[in-house]
Amino acid sequence: EAGVTQSPTHLIKTRGQQATLRCSPISGHTSVYWYQQALGLGLQFLLWYDEGEERNRGNFPPRFSGRQFPNYSSELNVNALELEDSALYLCASSLLAGVTDTQYFGPGTRLTVL
Amino acid sequence: QKEVEQDPGPLSVPEGAIVSLNCTYSNSAFQYFMWYRQYSRKGPELLMYTYSSGNKEDGRFTAQVDKSSKYISLFIRDSQPSDSATYLCAMSGVGGSTLGRLYFGRGTQLTVWP
Repeated sequence: EAGVTQSPTHLIKTRGQQATLRCSPISGHTSVYWYQQALGLGLQFLLWYDEGEERNRGNFPPRFSGRQFPNYSSELNVNALELEDSALYLCASSLLAGVTDTQYFGPGTRLTVL
Repeated sequence: QKEVEQDPGPLSVPEGAIVSLNCTYSNSAFQYFMWYRQYSRKGPELLMYTYSSGNKEDGRFTAQVDKSSKYISLFIRDSQPSDSATYLCAMSGVGGSTLGRLYFGRGTQLTVWP
């Protein structure tokens, strides 16, 4: 069974640009979660999508947004990039909505903002 | 005060040693407690999860939760060089703004040398 996949692996942008990160959940999983792992800060919850709807959001500004498509894949958009947005962005999926004991993570997209 | 505190280490032990990893937390609403392992340049991999207080054993790994002290532990017996990774504790609540989100510690970097 294929795990959570993310693309691209690496992304380099300059300050002020927009970044789009993509995630495909495990087959059959309907919930997708996004986390930011910045150096020295640990994983911080960004967003949770289930059945195409945003269900919960972490303490991040509105320029962090996303969506979930009918096939349950998801996209994270970061507008007006700032240097401190440089981080590893991790996507996770779960079979049951909001069940936090079984979130499976992908390998992440490393975003570098210059 | 951060909601989940974890000593980042680094922790270095010889092969065969018993390793003890710990986290403390402040939110009494947390009900699910997890340990993830993250190898360099990979996404976190779920190792153990526990609901509420108690112990759980899986092979060489034992997870303990003491809700009265807001303290969780992971013990690794007969540690192996392949256990060298960053260990992340995570926890979550069951409703409200905590639904669907994991709260992570910063991670403890463990090295097991032969």
